[in-house]
Amino acid sequence: DAKTTQPPSMDCAEGRAANLPCNHSTISGNEYVYWYRQIHSQGPQYIIHGLKNNETNEMASLIITEDRKSSTLILPHATLRDTAVYYCIVRSRYGNKLVFGAGTILRVKS
Amino acid sequence: DAGVIQSPRHEVTEMGQEVTLRCKPISGHDYLFWYRQTMMRGLELLIYFNNNVPIDDSGMPEDRFSAKMPNASFSTLKIQPSEPRDSAVYFCASSPSKGGEGYEQYFGPGTRLTVT
Repeated sequence: DAKTTQPPSMDCAEGRAANLPCNHSTISGNEYVYWYRQIHSQGPQYIIHGLKNNETNEMASLIITEDRKSSTLILPHATLRDTAVYYCIVRSRYGNKLVFGAGTILRVKS
Repeated sequence: DAGVIQSPRHEVTEMGQEVTLRCKPISGHDYLFWYRQTMMRGLELLIYFNNNVPIDDSGMPEDRFSAKMPNASFSTLKIQPSEPRDSAVYFCASSPSKGGEGYEQYFGPGTRLTVT
């Protein structure tokens, strides 16, 4: 599976949009981009995933560049409860293994 | 649905003792995963099952670790004998599949293991 690169940490003001970037320049055509988050002392939580089109659900939006080499997770109105470690993972369409990197620590501040 | 259930939530044991961690996946999910999380190594996949059959155990650290899935609703991860370096949070996760494609994984709350 392709490796991802994320900034180690980011801050965001409560109520503002949080934009978390991820680079995956070696992604191949059959690999999805997945985002998970882990709130302190809890298990990781699935957020969203996509292949090439932008995706939106009740939690977030995922914007994937046309060349698929990078993506951005957008939390439209961040709250204090969104403070967590966010993991960007690239996974084969028919694969089942998730390889977690260090992720991005997002701190939402009031 | 209650989600993935793990027990115990906390376990403290002495070096050399046997430890058994338990997991009940979400009903209808045919994949089950065991992960370990430490500050030094992050979140690592240990082993995963498909339809109760172990598929990939390449992440199991050594022979002291073993995992079983006797039926679709129960799995165990056993460490015998335990060592202080096994101290970690162990997560179980399950996922459905459709048409051969993997789907998102749902994680349990974890078991915090401390070996003294």
